[in-house]
Amino acid sequence: KNEVEQSPQNLTAQEGEFITINCSYSVGISALHWLQQHPGGGIVSLFMLSSGKKKHGRLIATINIQEKHSSLHITASHPRDSAVYICAGSNTGNQFYFGTGTSLTVIP
Amino acid sequence: KAGVTQTPRYLIKTRGQQVTLSCSPISGHRSVSWYQQTPGQGLQFLFEYFSETQRNKGNFPGRFSGRQFSNSRSEMNVSTLELGDSALYLCASSINRGTNEKLFFGSGTQLSVL
Repeated sequence: KNEVEQSPQNLTAQEGEFITINCSYSVGISALHWLQQHPGGGIVSLFMLSSGKKKHGRLIATINIQEKHSSLHITASHPRDSAVYICAGSNTGNQFYFGTGTSLTVIP
Repeated sequence: KAGVTQTPRYLIKTRGQQVTLSCSPISGHRSVSWYQQTPGQGLQFLFEYFSETQRNKGNFPGRFSGRQFSNSRSEMNVSTLELGDSALYLCASSINRGTNEKLFFGSGTQLSVL
């Protein structure tokens, strides 16, 4: 069992839909990261959070420390949001634990 | 400000050879970490360097090694290459890394071992 589990593995949505990607972790972490990877490999760090909620444009990330669960929400999805979204936990020992990623396709 | 630069972008090697990959962090960033990404295993943490010292290491064999120079540039070396080492190798930099800072990733080096 992976230390970080993501769901769903694959997601197809119509443009404009509200999207949620879930991440659960079983290890102790001090921060949870949401990463976006487009075809071609480049990774962009979207959020890093250790509590509560963060918002950037149409993206919202939340974390519940007690439940060891985080969600990434995309409002008014757009085809350019199509990418792989990866959650990762990091601890104070600078270890990183990655989820297997959620492949999102937004259809026009 | 220039981003994280990885060279080369693509590399083809044969089994048994060794390879060195390079990563130049964002100016002012002192921490560089390395990751391996494969279709089967996903992203995995290799190691992290800060001020020329390896601070942490993932679960990889000793064939994987790295170093960091005084200007924060980092190199990663893989000796005695195996077919399973074929992967995208990514590096990321951050200012200090000790406080769970946001990471900035390079575009990666795609290594193919034949």
